[in-house]
Amino acid sequence: EVQLVESGGGLVQPGGSLRLSCAASGFSFSSYSMNWVRQAPGKGLEWVSYIISSGATIYYAESVKGRFTISRDNAKNSLYLQMNNLRAEDTAVYYCARISMDDALDIWGQGTMVTVSS
Amino acid sequence: DVVMTQSPLSLPVTLGQPASISCRSSQSLVFSAGITNLNWYQQRPGQSPRRLIYQVSKRDSGVPDRFSGSGSGTDFTLKINRVEAEDVGVYFCMQGTHWPPWTFGQGTKVEIK
Repeated sequence: EVQLVESGGGLVQPGGSLRLSCAASGFSFSSYSMNWVRQAPGKGLEWVSYIISSGATIYYAESVKGRFTISRDNAKNSLYLQMNNLRAEDTAVYYCARISMDDALDIWGQGTMVTVSS
Repeated sequence: DVVMTQSPLSLPVTLGQPASISCRSSQSLVFSAGITNLNWYQQRPGQSPRRLIYQVSKRDSGVPDRFSGSGSGTDFTLKINRVEAEDVGVYFCMQGTHWPPWTFGQGTKVEIK
């Protein structure tokens, strides 16, 4: 079964850091580009970051540029999101999503909740 | 960035009746290879998004045939032939032609009358 499982969310104070992980199984992880997408409580979906299959190309949304770092370890079938200098507006469920061969997001994880509050 | 605009944002439907959701993009989603990267997702309460439709009208594996997608260029539609109770949730359109960023519609909440 193709599966993505996120972990690492939690409650953090403004200015703090968290590292999210996404464990992939059931497919050849090293062949696929990946995204992080977030959803604030009761809100819509917002793309956060992209990483190509090799890790050589990375993009970020303007709202997180300079604060978040995406990375991957193909040997461990894992995707990561290092989040620094967190703000209240970063509070959201964070999903990892696989990018299909036609650049759509075809498989999503169950999400991990990040709450930034004092 | 491509702006995706959905309507309506709330859609009360009677069980067994059809439902239709519109999605418009601020620029054409036709890709150079002739592919249009417009996708529809269903998000049931408390769940993560699940893709239903890709490339405007192709159903993902396991998606009931009561779901159909249509449209071209900048105007797209998701139709549910006969709404069932399990169809309750929020439906999003998403474009993957002009990225980054991938952009989503605001979401349409489908509920049973």
